Amino acid sequence: GDSVTQMEGPVTLSEEAFLTINCTYTATGYPSLFWYVQYPGEGLQLLLKATKADDKGSNKGFEATYRKETTSFHLEKGSVQVSDSAVYFCALYNNNDMRFGAGTRLTVKP
Amino acid sequence: DSGVTQTPKHLITATGQRVTLRCSPRSGDLSVYWYQQSLDQGLQFLIQYYNGEERAKGNILERFSAQQFPDLHSELNLSSLELGDSALYFCASSLGQGHEKLFFGSGTQLSVL
Repeated sequence: GDSVTQMEGPVTLSEEAFLTINCTYTATGYPSLFWYVQYPGEGLQLLLKATKADDKGSNKGFEATYRKETTSFHLEKGSVQVSDSAVYFCALYNNNDMRFGAGTRLTVKP
Repeated sequence: DSGVTQTPKHLITATGQRVTLRCSPRSGDLSVYWYQQSLDQGLQFLIQYYNGEERAKGNILERFSAQQFPDLHSELNLSSLELGDSALYFCASSLGQGHEKLFFGSGTQLSVL
């Protein structure tokens, strides 16, 4: 079946550092891809999405590009802030089924 | 605030018991989804309802059941509880039938002792 694999955390960065969280997927057909973020004590929030190959999703300085050739959807941000500390989930939606990765915890230190 | 309300926030119960978790979706949303989040299994999709009808089923155990009422709120019933059912249960809602943009509640933390 479909699956999502994302880099294990935790990831600890200093403020203003560059962030990459890797995500690869396995799916038949043409899934939609998502990044969700979960702040402490809260539910998940949609961060960005891409629905077809070569689409770039972006929001709040975060970006991810749907790469069908490498089956990847890596999350990047050029300069992280303390407020970006959270757990990030990569997810795919395909054939009426939503699959989430295990989540990557990011801690940004001042 | 996502607009999705879940009650209770915390629930502590014993093995063998039955509990009901409640979810009110965002105003206007017709779909309700239930997810289970645990340390070992991650975030698992359980079930989806759309406008009162079951729309999709994921890894939901037979001991678990759900329904969506005419006012669109939903309940997740967990019975014959086991220690392994301890987890954070999330409800999410969306306008349509697909998972295009989910709005998650803050979750119900279930502890089975």
